[in-house]
Amino acid sequence: GAVVSQHPSRVICKSGTSVKIECRSLDFQATTMFWYRQFPKQSLMLMATSNEGSKATYEQGVEKDKFLINHASLTLSTLTVTSAHPEDSSFYICSAITLFDNSPLHFGNGTRLTVT
Amino acid sequence: QKEVEQNSGPLSVPEGAIASLNCTYSDRGSQSFFWYRQYSGKSPELIMFIYSNGDKEDGRFTAQLNKASQYVSLLIRDSQPSDSATYLCAVNRGGGFKTIFGAGTRLFVKA
Repeated sequence: GAVVSQHPSRVICKSGTSVKIECRSLDFQATTMFWYRQFPKQSLMLMATSNEGSKATYEQGVEKDKFLINHASLTLSTLTVTSAHPEDSSFYICSAITLFDNSPLHFGNGTRLTVT
Repeated sequence: QKEVEQNSGPLSVPEGAIASLNCTYSDRGSQSFFWYRQYSGKSPELIMFIYSNGDKEDGRFTAQLNKASQYVSLLIRDSQPSDSATYLCAVNRGGGFKTIFGAGTRLFVKA
């Protein structure tokens, strides 16, 4: 149980374009989803917390107008990287919480974004 | 002081040995503690979680928690080369607070 599906797994885009990443909880309802970014050989950096039906809460230093998050249902959250630049190239990972707010996070398989 | 601290390693152990991974945290209000394994280029995978002081065993893995010392550890018995990965310690305070991750410890198990 507690499967989180993330799509696409890899994407290459040109500078200035936008990319949408989907995160779905397949066998549970996720009231809260989290988006992380990880640069090579660095730890996970939380970008934002997404609650179903409300605006996402962004971490300090993360541009909310650049990283658009939508959490329209209990099983789907999307992250759109707008006007992507090469420095946005990274590994983006979503995660979701099952029942309780201190339960383990379950991660999607991640999306490797390369901006050329 | 970082909220969750781990030795970055690499920690190198021979195959069959016990690997001991350590983590300290700063928030005394923390209630939930997790260990994740992350292979290069992959997303983290949950190994263990522990909520109460003491030991929790699952197969070759044992998580140990000492809230008084703000210390949590992961023991891997009979280490295998396939255990070579980065191990992330994570802590959650509950009550809607976010999960905080350490920077991870790289483990290398030599065949």
